[in-house]
Amino acid sequence: KQEVTQIPAALSVPEGENLVLNCSFTDSAIYNLQWFRQDPGKGLTSLLLIQSSQREQTSGRLNASLDKSSGRSTLYIAASQPGDSATYLCADAGGTSYGKLTFGQGTILTVHP
Amino acid sequence: KAGVTQTPRYLIKTRGQQVTLSCSPISGHRSVSWYQQTPGQGLQFLFEYFSETQRNKGNFPGRFSGRQFSNSRSEMNVSTLELGDSALYLCASSSAYRGPNTEAFFGQGTRLTVV
Repeated sequence: KQEVTQIPAALSVPEGENLVLNCSFTDSAIYNLQWFRQDPGKGLTSLLLIQSSQREQTSGRLNASLDKSSGRSTLYIAASQPGDSATYLCADAGGTSYGKLTFGQGTILTVHP
Repeated sequence: KAGVTQTPRYLIKTRGQQVTLSCSPISGHRSVSWYQQTPGQGLQFLFEYFSETQRNKGNFPGRFSGRQFSNSRSEMNVSTLELGDSALYLCASSSAYRGPNTEAFFGQGTRLTVV
């Protein structure tokens, strides 16, 4: 059974800092790894998708990496802004489990001016 | 291109009632998945439909059911509501059941409150 863990549970940083969010998973047979952000009371917004054959993906100030051998993914946010404040979730799409994403508990990020 | 649309956005129901939630996927997407989000349990998978067939189901009681129509729109139904069913219900759509284009896109959710 796949388990996904995110560390830290919460993070508070001043504006402008570069930061790293961590995601670990127990089963290396993942299909792809997807990062989301969620604003309070809202749905999930897809940030980045890394397929199992890839090592990293970049979108603007975001960079996500995937290391299947160690069971880890990281989301790097450069030059953080107050608008980045949200909950960040990683999710594994297991290769043999149709349509099912297994989520971590999320990291609550607060960027203060 | 319109995103995933969930209706209604908010619902208040009484214990013992039943409720139906609706999800319209992104045009062309044939896979629709449903999730329950609560503060204590986080996001938990309910079920997934592809071309009107349920292909996967999570560990929820039989009171939770769903279906998908030929236009890929999906509904989920919860019968005999319990207080613990209060949650944010999210649906996600994707373009393929497996392959390079399996990025999942979520709707804004339906906030269900059971009183």
